[in-house]
Amino acid sequence: NAGVTQTPKFQVLKTGQSMTLQCAQDMNHEYMSWYRQDPGMGLRLIHYSVGAGITDQGEVPNGYNVSRSTTEDFPLRLLSAAPSQTSVYFCASSTPITGELFFGEGSRLTVL
Amino acid sequence: GQQLNQSPQSMFIQEGEDVSMNCTSSSIFNTWLWYKQDPGEGPVLLIALYKAGELTSNGRLTAQFGITRKDSFLNISASIPSDVGIYFCAGQRYNTDKLIFGTGTRLQVFP
Repeated sequence: NAGVTQTPKFQVLKTGQSMTLQCAQDMNHEYMSWYRQDPGMGLRLIHYSVGAGITDQGEVPNGYNVSRSTTEDFPLRLLSAAPSQTSVYFCASSTPITGELFFGEGSRLTVL
Repeated sequence: GQQLNQSPQSMFIQEGEDVSMNCTSSSIFNTWLWYKQDPGEGPVLLIALYKAGELTSNGRLTAQFGITRKDSFLNISASIPSDVGIYFCAGQRYNTDKLIFGTGTRLQVFP
């Protein structure tokens, strides 16, 4: 079973460039979310979705966009990358309101 | 934004020792979860707690849902080298979808 798959695993961007982090899950989970992990800050919620066509903001949504056109996919878009967005990004999914998130392996992004 | 306070931030212990860490919040949570993250990987669920006062074990790990609903504790007994990693608590409030994570406790185990 693939579980939660994130691509790319590593990416280097220049300030001002845009890119999309891809996330796909094959567990038919309704809930999907994006977190960023920074040293000493733990995991902070960026955006989340409770189902196809529905998205909402988390704790740190500025500079990021998401969409949920299918149950399986939940891409995260950086519109104009900034050095403050250098981080490790994790996508996660779960069944309705159990809290038992399944995480992808992470995408390490560096913005120069 | 709301974050959970985890302590200690890091621990350096000898193999065989017991470990205790905790997570506190100013808000009430209905669900507490404990995750472990190995280097280069995503977090993996260790224990889930759904009821105030609940005490749940998973092998050498034991976690408790605080009676005030504002805290949770994780104990690891007889630590081994593969316990190395970052441990995160996470809380979910009633009738919400969001899971809020703590700042993490980094555990190092020396032989």
